[in-house]
Amino acid sequence: GEDVEQSLFLSVREGDSSVINCTYTDSSSTYLYWYKQEPGAGLQLLTYIFSNMDMKQDQRLTVLLNKKDKHLSLRIADTQTGDSAIYFCAESNFGNEKLTFGTGTRLTIIP
Amino acid sequence: DGGITQSPKYLFRKEGQNVTLSCEQNLNHDAMYWYRQDPGQGLRLIYYSQIVNDFQKGDIAEGYSVSREKKESFPLTVTSAQKNPTAFYLCASRHRDKSTEAFFGQGTRLTVV
Repeated sequence: GEDVEQSLFLSVREGDSSVINCTYTDSSSTYLYWYKQEPGAGLQLLTYIFSNMDMKQDQRLTVLLNKKDKHLSLRIADTQTGDSAIYFCAESNFGNEKLTFGTGTRLTIIP
Repeated sequence: DGGITQSPKYLFRKEGQNVTLSCEQNLNHDAMYWYRQDPGQGLRLIYYSQIVNDFQKGDIAEGYSVSREKKESFPLTVTSAQKNPTAFYLCASRHRDKSTEAFFGQGTRLTVV
């Protein structure tokens, strides 16, 4: 079955770049997503990438996809205190509405 | 305003009781989902529904039940058979087009006392 893995914690100094990594097992994954969760709240979509793309950039966010290694990363440039949250990687594929999430990475910003 | 609403935000249940969590959306989404969130385990899929009157088990369906009688509503019942029900429950919905985002409710924190 599908499996999505992430590191649980990441600490970054304010102003540095944050890189959050994700690996997945389903080679038929079509869409890969990054969601952000602030304390006590639901999830908000940050960005997504199609499996036929290698990179997607959206302002401070850069998503890199290595389909061969089934590795996805999210880079946040100039990390700010407001970026403190849990970040979830997720995947889905054609023919199946199932949306599978990773364990989430808690990003902590060091002043 | 369109959105997805979960209620209540906090819920306390005595051991041995069933309890139903509400999820309503007015986004005209076909697919709806229930996830359970525990510290360090991320989101685990309980049930999902692609269309009215149809639903599928997720990865941890035991001890839970759902119904999808209306497109807008996907209630989750936590039964007494669920051995460890204390958790944060999240409902989500999205269009059947795979490229669109899933919208999440604000969650229900269930505590068994």
